[in-house]
Amino acid sequence: QQQVKQSPQSLIVQKGGISIINCAYENTAFDYFPWYQQFPGKGPALLIAIRPDVSEKKEGRFTISFNKSAKQFSLHIMDSQPGDSATYFCAATLVSRRALTFGSGTRLQVQP
Amino acid sequence: NAGVTQTPKFRILKIGQSMTLQCTQDMNHNYMYWYRQDPGMGLKLIYYSVGAGITDKGEVPNGYNVSRSTTEDFPLRLELAAPSQTSVYFCASSGGTSGPLSYEQYFGPGTRLTVT
Repeated sequence: QQQVKQSPQSLIVQKGGISIINCAYENTAFDYFPWYQQFPGKGPALLIAIRPDVSEKKEGRFTISFNKSAKQFSLHIMDSQPGDSATYFCAATLVSRRALTFGSGTRLQVQP
Repeated sequence: NAGVTQTPKFRILKIGQSMTLQCTQDMNHNYMYWYRQDPGMGLKLIYYSVGAGITDKGEVPNGYNVSRSTTEDFPLRLELAAPSQTSVYFCASSGGTSGPLSYEQYFGPGTRLTVT
């Protein structure tokens, strides 16, 4: 059972453009929604995270938009740069377990 | 701070062999986790631990065992390796007891395992 569905699977964006990755979740008990960035050969690293009591969180060029009623959240990367080329994972977790349930990942390629 | 360290980085096993993947963290985190990542897929939770002496199963525990005798170490044991266990294994840890920072997980660099 896939509890967190992520799309698209891959994304190509021109330098300076906006990258948008979407996720949908099923379990309404999830209460923490992070995005992880992973470069080839490395472990995932936390990029930005949101709790369900807010609808948007912005950190630099990265923004999470959260729609609790639709059970969806998305990552927006503004002014995308070639250095942003990586695989991005959305995730969700329960307070009780802390362990993450990951989406399937989006491979982002930013062309110069 | 080294963060989360994993050994080995690479390993090839024959079917039926056993091995232990090592994971150590130096951040004094209570929570530790083992995930596996199959090609083109997200990470799936194998086992996790909320503190020394306490472990619990995740989504895909079959074929694996863990122990947590100290806060720092969380080894993952593969018994009777099978080709389906070919994957990249990540160990992670998180600390604190409450608040948003307690949810942030720090990942190790991974162990790439091939079973043939």
